[in-house]
Amino acid sequence: DGGITQSPKYLFRKEGQNVTLSCEQNLNHDAMYWYRQDPGQGLRLIYYSQIVNDFQKGDIAEGYSVSREKKESFPLTVTSAQKNPTAFYLCASSIRGTSTEAFFGQGTRLTVV
Amino acid sequence: AQTVTQSQPEMSVQEAETVTLSCTYDTSESDYYLFWYKQPPSRQMILVIRQEAYKQQNATENRFSVNFQKAAKSFSLKISDSQLGDAAMYFCAYRSWATSGTYKYIFGTGTRLKVLA
Repeated sequence: DGGITQSPKYLFRKEGQNVTLSCEQNLNHDAMYWYRQDPGQGLRLIYYSQIVNDFQKGDIAEGYSVSREKKESFPLTVTSAQKNPTAFYLCASSIRGTSTEAFFGQGTRLTVV
Repeated sequence: AQTVTQSQPEMSVQEAETVTLSCTYDTSESDYYLFWYKQPPSRQMILVIRQEAYKQQNATENRFSVNFQKAAKSFSLKISDSQLGDAAMYFCAYRSWATSGTYKYIFGTGTRLKVLA
């Protein structure tokens, strides 16, 4: 079955540690996105990538980094510079071009203690 | 920059009744897409309905329909014959036309819909 897989579903880290969230898709989509969801704030865009080896900062990129070495994969690293990393993170992908909606993974809940 | 506003943090509807969720957006583009997504307690984002800005006809998907007012930059979602399974968080989203080069999906803050039995 085609889809987007985020792993793990729950992640715990100690403050000051970097952590990488995985996002893999087998939909053959060119574009991929990372969003952060906090209560009352909706989905806020962290980073997005239209093609391999290229990505752009979203609205809240500070404290995060990404890579896009393969079309299928778009991992997100939450660095120790991110002041409030505890949140729900959603990865999405879409076809680049005239097609429309974004398809989402099931999300990763990151808790930093 | 484009923005999406959902002014109703929470709404309630009686089972079998109709409810309308509001969404407004701001853009200088003439061509774009608009969406409504549903996020149930599982937190999986599910597409409910989409609207292409160049289409004047309002989109409909079974019990879900939209009222798209391009000049007013308004995009409301109407849910008819509400069911208990409709209870969820609903997000309005905007995507710019692909020919603009770089595009992204911009979401509102969401409306939590409660369905009362």
